[in-house]
Formats: sequence, C-alpha cells, structure tokens
Amino acid sequence: GAVVSQHPSRVICKSGTSVKIECRSLDFQATTMFWYRQFPKQSLMLMATSNEGSKATYEQGVEKDKFLINHASLTLSTLTVTSAHPEDSSFYICSASDEQFFGPGTRLTVL
Amino acid sequence: GQNIDQPTEMTATEGAIVQINCTYQTSGFNGLFWYQQHAGEAPTFLSYNVLDGLEEKGRFSSFLSRSKGYSYLLLKELQMKDSASYLCAVRVLQRGGGNKLTFGTGTQLKVEL
Repeated sequence: GAVVSQHPSRVICKSGTSVKIECRSLDFQATTMFWYRQFPKQSLMLMATSNEGSKATYEQGVEKDKFLINHASLTLSTLTVTSAHPEDSSFYICSASDEQFFGPGTRLTVL
Repeated sequence: GQNIDQPTEMTATEGAIVQINCTYQTSGFNGLFWYQQHAGEAPTFLSYNVLDGLEEKGRFSSFLSRSKGYSYLLLKELQMKDSASYLCAVRVLQRGGGNKLTFGTGTQLKVEL
C-alpha cells in the first residue's frame, strides 16, 4: 500500500485564495520531505526541502513567502500556496526521506 | 548545476526491447534513479544505481557508468501498459549535508502493437 499520502488529490480555487496541501508518511518517520512541482508535459522540479523542526530550504527562484512549508512532525509536512494565481496551477508532488516513495500528487487549478 | 539529458520520445513494438539513455553532468553525484510516470499520476520508482554496472529487476534493468556520466534503462518484453514517461533523476550530495534529486525532462515511450 501507499507509504506517502497527500491531501487533497485535487483542488480548484479562485485567484487570490490560499491553498494548503498535506503530505504524510504513513509507516515511517520522515525527518526530510521534498516538495516538487510539475507543469504539463514537463518534468518534476524541486521546490523545497522540508526539514522537521527547522526552516525549509528553498530552491532558487521559489518564493518562500508564497510557498509556505511547515514540517511540524515526523509524519506531516504542509505546503501552503498563498494568494494563488492561475500561473500556480500545477501538479504538486511530495516525497519523504527515501527517494523511492512519492505521494500521489495534488492537482491545483487556480481560476 | 546539474544537466540531465534524455530523448523526448521513443516508440517501440509490443514484445520488443527498448533502451532509454540518460546522460548527466553534475558534481556531488550520489546515485541515479529511474522512475515511471503515467499521465496524471506521481512517479513510481523503478531502479537505483550508485555503483557502475547493471542492476536487473524482472523486465527492467538499469546500467550506470559514472566515468561517462551515462545511464540507460532497458525494458524487455514490452507490454502496452509500459507506455508512459520514464524519468531519469540524479541524486546530488549537498554542501552542508543532505541530498536532493534533479530530474531529467523524461522520455515518453509509446508501445505499439
């Protein structure tokens, strides 16, 4: 069964609203989780590395004030897209510690 | 930075063998992964190489040459369900510790009858 879950799987929101995406490790503790974004017909791009109990490390070009990451426990990391705009519409995927396991992804559509 | 190249598209026949190549240029190399991704779904892990040589797992095999910055994924006895995007990803050891994955653009494989 799945070892990394994401919620929600799909979300549609209006421009200017904030959306929170959860990533959970189900059978293990993850001190590190990774957040990726994938635009249509493109590959995965790492957005940030989420570290339990400390600040996330963001990749170059990713706005930390727009994409808020919280990793408050060893099994949960959240990504909040603040003031979402249509260009933020994408497939957001997390993975936990071990690169073998990815969450099922969250399809975000901003109208 | 990292540079990872793989062909954009490939077509093969059901029952045949196909080889998907990946070349990379990176510093701090700490392993290479292959994933399968069907449209609208998250990637699924296929294989991992960190030392030179061939790793075989059922119908799938992956090869790595670190000196050449080269890997390939070999799919045997192709089935229609193997039609998907295949992603090559390099794990790099970061300064200050920790690893991160950088993905290639993916190879869209189409299996035909």
